[in-house]
Amino acid sequence: GAVVSQHPSWVICKSGTSVKIECRSLDFQATTMFWYRQFPKQSLMLMATSNEGSKATYEQGVEKDKFLINHASLTLSTLTVTSAHPEDSSFYICSASRYSNQPQHFGDGTRLSIL
Amino acid sequence: SQQGEEDPQALSIQEGENATMNCSYKTSINNLQWYRQNSGRGLVHLILIRSNEREKHSGRLRVTLDTSKKSSSLLITASRAADTASYFCATVGSISNFGNEKLTFGTGTRLTIIP
Repeated sequence: GAVVSQHPSWVICKSGTSVKIECRSLDFQATTMFWYRQFPKQSLMLMATSNEGSKATYEQGVEKDKFLINHASLTLSTLTVTSAHPEDSSFYICSASRYSNQPQHFGDGTRLSIL
Repeated sequence: SQQGEEDPQALSIQEGENATMNCSYKTSINNLQWYRQNSGRGLVHLILIRSNEREKHSGRLRVTLDTSKKSSSLLITASRAADTASYFCATVGSISNFGNEKLTFGTGTRLTIIP
């Protein structure tokens, strides 16, 4: 159990395009979902915490207008990278947890390449 | 930044040998977790150790925690080729208002098991 599906796994698009990434908990209800960014051979950096039905909480330095997060249901959160530019190219990973004090379950990530 | 550091950054050993990775962190914690990441994939939760615990086992994994030194170690015994991956420690410092836990990841250790 505790499967998290992330889609798409890989996307290439032109500069200026907006890209939406979906994160779904397939077999459990996730009260909270997290969005991370990972540069090559580096660690994961938390971008924002998303609670169902509430506005996302963004980490310092993350532009909320650039990275739009929607958590409309207990099984789906989306991250939209608006007007993406080459510097937004990265590996984006989501995770979900059932409730507090429980481990996070991670999706397989989305590799975003902006040309 | 609360990001921890892991040591070594990279480790190559022969199959069957034991692998030890260390993690240091900067602030007080509620718990510490270890994750594995295969290349280009999401993270898999391995083990969680709470701040009042000193050692924990799970199969071939052994984790220790020394809160006085703000450090943890992950030991993988009788390594296998399938253990080749990056390993990250992640700390939880406090419970947010929603009761969900933010993970702060270490820099990771790239482990290569030579068949």
